[in-house]
Amino acid sequence: QQPVQSPQAVILREGEDAVINCSSSKALYSVHWYRQKHGEAPVFLMILLKGGEQKGHEKISASFNEKKQQSSLYLTASQLSYSGTYFCGTDTIIQGAQKLVFGQGTRLTINP
Amino acid sequence: ETGVTQSPTHLIKTRGQQVTLRCSSQSGHNTVSWYQQALGQGPQFIFQYYREEENGRGNFPPRFSGLQFPNYSSELNVNALELDDSALYLCASSLVNLRGTYEQYFGPGTRLTVT
Repeated sequence: QQPVQSPQAVILREGEDAVINCSSSKALYSVHWYRQKHGEAPVFLMILLKGGEQKGHEKISASFNEKKQQSSLYLTASQLSYSGTYFCGTDTIIQGAQKLVFGQGTRLTINP
Repeated sequence: ETGVTQSPTHLIKTRGQQVTLRCSSQSGHNTVSWYQQALGQGPQFIFQYYREEENGRGNFPPRFSGLQFPNYSSELNVNALELDDSALYLCASSLVNLRGTYEQYFGPGTRLTVT
């Protein structure tokens, strides 16, 4: 039920690109992406709905492939501020209501 | 700043005690979800409240209970605390939009340590 994220950790130099993947064994209605910095709460990045929607936020974008039940987060020309742990959350039905279930996270470290 | 606040920030309790954590949701949001986040893990869904009613529950025992008030603020109560309850407790508020989707915004969390 919990989505699987890959890779578990990534280390980049500033300016490099990264891709974080999120896959589920269940049909997805939507995928939510968050970034969490150490000691802080997760911060909402974007939500993607079924239909292959792709969204972007500055140099961070994401895609959602409903048929493959997976989503990918793309970080282009990474900045030091992008460091943190990225979580995907997938909509699932719990007791008849839609709820978010989070993956285990991908730790991204950006070095100067 | 998401507009979601939680109190207290940190808490230390002894095994067997009871604890109450509080959350004020973002203005206009009528749904509050509670999560437990252990170190190095993703947030685990505890339960959700919608218009003062529990609206779904994750795999947590009945000693985890909650309330939502008419102003949509919420409480999480944990009885008979166990060492494994030590974690960051997050609340998130949301409002379902016209498309039937929602964006959840997290509060800063309460760090609970059980000794």
